[in-house]
Amino acid sequence: DAGITQSPRHKVTETGTPVTLRCHQTENHRYMYWYRQDPGHGLRLIHYSYGVKDTDKGEVSDGYSVSRSKTEDFLLTLESATSSQTSVYFCAISDRGQGTGELFFGEGSRLTVL
Amino acid sequence: GQQLNQSPQSMFIQEGEDVSMNCTSSSIFNTWLWYKQEPGEGPVLLIALYKAGELTSNGRLTAQFGITRKDSFLNISASIPSDVGIYFCAGRSGNTPLVFGKGTRLSVIA
Repeated sequence: DAGITQSPRHKVTETGTPVTLRCHQTENHRYMYWYRQDPGHGLRLIHYSYGVKDTDKGEVSDGYSVSRSKTEDFLLTLESATSSQTSVYFCAISDRGQGTGELFFGEGSRLTVL
Repeated sequence: GQQLNQSPQSMFIQEGEDVSMNCTSSSIFNTWLWYKQEPGEGPVLLIALYKAGELTSNGRLTAQFGITRKDSFLNISASIPSDVGIYFCAGRSGNTPLVFGKGTRLSVIA
């Protein structure tokens, strides 16, 4: 199994509060991704990173920011959480880039915004 | 943006039956991937396809990269209870990020 750890695994918070989810990998892979999974929508890409300090937006990036200061850590921040951001968030990693890379997923972080 | 249509949305089958599901794309893809997700876990890669017409097996699972490069199929033979889960197709064209289908939820009745 790919060495990917997400934290926290479960979080309940209130609307308007900031939330940070952490993804930590031990594989030294260059590419890291954050997805959200919602019923009826499958997996949708929020942001991704192709190296330290190099990030780009995905399909549903509004309301989210990311940071990658070290190869092993990719942080997803909700500056002011809203109920529409209640979801299960998955981190994924890849070692071979956008064109050929197969993604390996973490176990997910379930976020509930009340 | 790119869209994937995955069907069926859900399936209820008897143990021992074969299963077929497919994905179609609005654009040409150069990569097709199939994942399985079990409750409370992240998706796990089952099969990766990189050439049009490619047919690849992983145990009782067989996937094909369609000749038109706009579709892919996953077959499961002789289903067993542990096949239960959600199966996702994913694809990409060029260097764009992976696009995922909405999943096929498989239930196996013993």
